[in-house]
Amino acid sequence: DVKVTQSSRYLVKRTGEKVFLECVQDMDHENMFWYRQDPGLGLRLIYFSYDVKMKEKGDIPEGYSVSREKKERFSLILESASTNQTSMYLCASSLPPGSGSYEQYFGPGTRLTVT
Amino acid sequence: AQKITQTQPGMFVQEKEAVTLDCTYDTSDPSYGLFWYKQPSSGEMIFLIYQGSYDQQNATEGRYSLNFQKARKSANLVISASQLGDSAMYFCAMRNAGGTSYGKLTFGQGTILTVHP
Repeated sequence: DVKVTQSSRYLVKRTGEKVFLECVQDMDHENMFWYRQDPGLGLRLIYFSYDVKMKEKGDIPEGYSVSREKKERFSLILESASTNQTSMYLCASSLPPGSGSYEQYFGPGTRLTVT
Repeated sequence: AQKITQTQPGMFVQEKEAVTLDCTYDTSDPSYGLFWYKQPSSGEMIFLIYQGSYDQQNATEGRYSLNFQKARKSANLVISASQLGDSAMYFCAMRNAGGTSYGKLTFGQGTILTVHP
């Protein structure tokens, strides 16, 4: 059974703190993604990675960075958390396009509150 | 740039009735894929159905079917015989097939479906 796990379901942090959100997949997928979900805006792509140590900015990368040191793990980092980063964060993984598998598999999400 | 639009913030349907959730898209890429995901209140994203831009027939998966109208750039989800467990948020998404896309998805705003008994 395929699985994407995220380190926390709920997280409360203070403004200015450094925050790490961890995501692990056990499917040997090359591609991993971080999205944030806000009401009325759907899911928006923050960063993605297509290989170990490779990363690309998504649509809303400001205020975030990522790390992918191992194929199965993709971390999202909020260098200095701000209240406008209060959101639901979803991690996903997939095989590359053209592999015959097109689906993205999602983790359960982390609901982050910054106070 | 690609864009997905879901114009129905909320929809209501009676149990056992069919319901259509609207989705329109915009892309200049001739090769793309369209997805529908379901998100129950628990938060996990559940993949429902996929349609490739070159697929000749509309995709179907059990009670879910995708009404793909390429000329109109629409990819509506039809749920037949609604069940109470279908109450959830539904997202339409698109992926361009080009090599530099890396399988990124662009999502719509979502539609909250409520099924009444």
